[in-house]
Amino acid sequence: GEDVEQSLFLSVREGDSSVINCTYTDSSSTYLYWYKQEPGAGLQLLTYIFSNMDMKQDQRLTVLLNKKDKHLSLRIADTQTGDSAIYFCAETEGSARQLTFGSGTQLTVLP
Amino acid sequence: DVKVTQSSRYLVKRTGEKVFLECVQDMDHENMFWYRQDPGLGLRLIYFSYDVKMKEKGDIPEGYSVSREKKERFSLILESASTNQTSMYLCASSGPGTGTRETQYFGPGTRLLVL
Repeated sequence: GEDVEQSLFLSVREGDSSVINCTYTDSSSTYLYWYKQEPGAGLQLLTYIFSNMDMKQDQRLTVLLNKKDKHLSLRIADTQTGDSAIYFCAETEGSARQLTFGSGTQLTVLP
Repeated sequence: DVKVTQSSRYLVKRTGEKVFLECVQDMDHENMFWYRQDPGLGLRLIYFSYDVKMKEKGDIPEGYSVSREKKERFSLILESASTNQTSMYLCASSGPGTGTRETQYFGPGTRLLVL
């Protein structure tokens, strides 16, 4: 079946850029998502990208998609302590209604 | 804004009890989902529903059942709670009119402890 993989942990210094990476196996993915989960809370949609796009920017967030390598990344510019959270990558294939989630990357922002 | 609410944030139950977790969404979404989240395992899909009275098994349905009598409400039932069902339970919904139709919107979660 489809698989989505992420590294489990990332630490950065406040003010630096963070890059969270994700790889997926489903070549028919149509949409790819990034969700953020703060401690004790549900998942909050951050952004999504359609598979025919290479890049999407939204304020401090930049999503890059390399469809050939099935690699998705989320860059957070000027990372703040409030960005500390778990970040989940997810994908869906067009006709499916389900999302396949990665295991999440715990981002820790150090002062 | 899409709103998904869950009946409890924290719940403590005893082994063997019947447990009901309720989820309500206000966006007229057709699809609703129940996940459990455990450290290091990410999100695992328990059950989902595409329409009223319809349900489909996810990856880990054993020990759970669901009910969807109304479009806005999706209930997760633990028929006889066991300690290995201690977890964070997340409800989500998706449907047309909100981003992509597959975009899922999550409730705040219910942290269940089974003693």
